[in-house]
Amino acid sequence: DIQMTQSPSALSASVGDRVTITCRASQSIESWLAWYQQKPGKAPKLLIYKASSLESGVPSRFSGRGSGTEFTLTISSLQPDDSATYYCQQYNSYWRTFGQGTKVEIK
Amino acid sequence: QVQLQESGPRLVRPSETLSLTCTVSGGSVSPHYWTWIRQSPGKGLEWIGAIFYSGSANYNPSLESRVTISVDTSKNQFALRLTSVTAADTAVYYCAREYCSGGACGWFAPWGQGTLVTVSS
Repeated sequence: DIQMTQSPSALSASVGDRVTITCRASQSIESWLAWYQQKPGKAPKLLIYKASSLESGVPSRFSGRGSGTEFTLTISSLQPDDSATYYCQQYNSYWRTFGQGTKVEIK
Repeated sequence: QVQLQESGPRLVRPSETLSLTCTVSGGSVSPHYWTWIRQSPGKGLEWIGAIFYSGSANYNPSLESRVTISVDTSKNQFALRLTSVTAADTAVYYCAREYCSGGACGWFAPWGQGTLVTVSS
């Protein structure tokens, strides 16, 4: 299976800060990567697909970059509603796999 | 707008079979892929498997010997069966549509709300 490793596991930042989460794949996945946001007790919500394509309705402060084995999710100006856990997911292999998650807290 | 809803027993005895159904509303199961994903505190998000509306399925190799996913186009539903369950199968189970665009498939939207299934005697 393709292993996905996110860093950091958790972070705390202030409203208005620029926040970046990194996701690394154990082998090249080209641009076949998605990002999700999950709030407590809720299902994950798609933010980004194909590494950098913003899902319809997702605020433009969210952006994704990368290809191959290294990817980033950036929140350009952190908002209170962004407090959540973020997951990356690869779909280069039919065996879809997720990162372990990054918990974002607001200071 | 497509919506998904999981249903099925919330408590399953060890060694028995976990069965869940996902009902799709606001759209058709055709011509899409449909997926089961679970989330437990110890293992995070785990892809269980997916089925195309025509019936062809792919499974997580670590679960393949115990998993069957089926689809019923007449009821606009798809289902999960997981046999010989243990406490390690306790998790929130989600159904989701695997989205395709431009010839590529593999991201999940929308998701059902999820259902907690506990394996316990």
